[in-house]
Amino acid sequence: EDQVTQSPEALRLQEGESSSLNCSYTVSGLRGLFWYRQDPGKGPEFLFTLYSAGEEKEKERLKATLTKKESFLHITAPKPEDSATYLCAVHWDTGRRALTFGSGTRLQVQP
Amino acid sequence: DVKVTQSSRYLVKRTGEKVFLECVQDMDHENMFWYRQDPGLGLRLIYFSYDVKMKEKGDIPEGYSVSREKKERFSLILESASTNQTSMYLCAILSSGSYYEQYFGPGTRLTVT
Repeated sequence: EDQVTQSPEALRLQEGESSSLNCSYTVSGLRGLFWYRQDPGKGPEFLFTLYSAGEEKEKERLKATLTKKESFLHITAPKPEDSATYLCAVHWDTGRRALTFGSGTRLQVQP
Repeated sequence: DVKVTQSSRYLVKRTGEKVFLECVQDMDHENMFWYRQDPGLGLRLIYFSYDVKMKEKGDIPEGYSVSREKKERFSLILESASTNQTSMYLCAILSSGSYYEQYFGPGTRLTVT
């Protein structure tokens, strides 16, 4: 069963059109939920780690929020340079140190 | 800033060759990882290491081995490369303690012909 699910798979926005990406998870004992940005042909770029429900973090036009079952990445007034794939991943309390990744949301922002 | 470097950005090898991919970090982190990323399959964990000479298998270890002789260096070895190992390979480190942050290297695009 999928433990980390991202939606939508792809999203096309007009410049300035705000929206949200979703990451839902089914694991228990969450130790951290991670958001990344990935440009084609490059390694993922770390954005945020969220640790507990109610937590929020911001970076430029991006704001990440966390509830007990999901996280949202809000993009406010996006620009074309925000076009990328956004990945989320979870680290939970199994003793395993590795993260489990979602399949990503491909975001395209058109001028 | 944490820096994770990988030995090659692009690599082309022949079937049956032994291939070494090297990852180096500059921050003395204990946890290091090797993932591969394929379209439609996402990021999949091959191996990770939590200390020098310590390693654990990830989700898809078959056909791969790893080596960690020094804390800053984690190598992925393809014992006998096959065409189904053509992929993007990503090394990562995980800082731990009070805060978790995982940083990736730039990736190695490996093509096996």
